[in-house]
Amino acid sequence: AQRVTQPEKLLSVFKGAPVELKCNYSYSGSPELFWYVQYSRQRLQLLLRHISRESIKGFTADLNKGETSFHLKKPFAQEEDSAMYYCALRGLNTGFQKLVFGTGTRLLVSP
Amino acid sequence: NAGVTQTPKFQVLKTGQSMTLQCAQDMNHEYMSWYRQDPGMGLRLIHYSVGAGITDQGEVPNGYNVSRSTTEDFPLRLLSAAPSQTSVYFCAAQGSRQRTEAFFGQGTRLTVV
Repeated sequence: AQRVTQPEKLLSVFKGAPVELKCNYSYSGSPELFWYVQYSRQRLQLLLRHISRESIKGFTADLNKGETSFHLKKPFAQEEDSAMYYCALRGLNTGFQKLVFGTGTRLLVSP
Repeated sequence: NAGVTQTPKFQVLKTGQSMTLQCAQDMNHEYMSWYRQDPGMGLRLIHYSVGAGITDQGEVPNGYNVSRSTTEDFPLRLLSAAPSQTSVYFCAAQGSRQRTEAFFGQGTRLTVV
């Protein structure tokens, strides 16, 4: 079964504190993992994908196949990071592969 | 470059009414899909299309119809709205090559009373 679990509905931190948004997945095969972000009143947009192995807006995420996790991290949170974050996976097979989303974590960064 | 455009942004319907949520993309992407976003449930796939004239069901298709007469447009129809269809709806477009990014519209917030 394909499943993405984000255990935290809300993560509240102070500006400058480290942030880790947790994501665990279940997938039979090799998935592609993503983090999407939705800022207030904006569309869902791609933040990171594990294949790119890059840092966007100071965020990084490492795919741990042994623990089936793809946690999102940032060493120093900023107020503008406040948003809804969704972890998602997609199969690497050819053809249309649906995105399977977690339930999302709302990150609130306070001054 | 508009990307994926959804209309309307907000809509209130009475139970039993019908309506069409519009989705248009200008990226010439083959794949298009509709998701609904509900609190505590993430986004779930309603219907998708791999090209003009080809559509298929996702995980929550009941109560919705789609068609894909052109590459650009992928409307979602609610034939007889029910309160359970109160949700935020997102349309997405994606190229057919592997590992391409999915682009989302700004969403339609639908309330059925």
